[in-house]
Amino acid sequence: EPEVTQTPSHQVTQMGQEVILRCVPISNHLYFYWYRQILGQKVEFLVSFYNNEISEKSEIFDDQFSVERPDGSNFTLKIRSTKLEDSAMYFCASSVVSYETQYFGPGTRLLVL
Amino acid sequence: QKEVEQNSGPLSVPEGAIASLNCTYSDRGSQSFFWYRQYSGKSPELIMSIYSNGDKEDGRFTAQLNKASQYVSLLIRDSQPSDSATYLCAVNRGNQFYFGTGTSLTVIP
Repeated sequence: EPEVTQTPSHQVTQMGQEVILRCVPISNHLYFYWYRQILGQKVEFLVSFYNNEISEKSEIFDDQFSVERPDGSNFTLKIRSTKLEDSAMYFCASSVVSYETQYFGPGTRLLVL
Repeated sequence: QKEVEQNSGPLSVPEGAIASLNCTYSDRGSQSFFWYRQYSGKSPELIMSIYSNGDKEDGRFTAQLNKASQYVSLLIRDSQPSDSATYLCAVNRGNQFYFGTGTSLTVIP
């Protein structure tokens, strides 16, 4: 069964450093998403991506964040200068169409020290 | 007002009982409604999707949607200890999902 994959599973970084989180969505899906979940809190939407551009983004997704689809399979989230409060689990998801089921990857646990 | 509201629980039911989980949402324009299950430290896993008013059954799970009341529920029949998890209600608006804070369910053997 096709699934969303994410790398790395864990990332530890120093405050102020740049991190890139990688995702491979399900191959026939057209919509891609990033969410984050701070420990003990709810899953929060960051950004959606369709047709090689951002379709929606939340208030959390400020200038420190960017997304890219560098090739036909990968979808990346970059955090330019990490802050302590960026420590969270980051989930990538994909869907065939925007209003249908989103399938989540296993997540990347980011720890900013 | 929160987009999606759920009772955080915890909800405890004995094995074999029916677990009832509830969710309300604020945006009447929402088209799609989902229940995800999340085990601690893991990603959300789809349980059910529902798009129109009424009931939808899949095995031991039944989702109910009432758009007039802006209410979605999930019933789990014959609850098993393996059902112990946090259940997330998700509602779409545009190209994003809004998640509730989740209801923690414990099924007691």
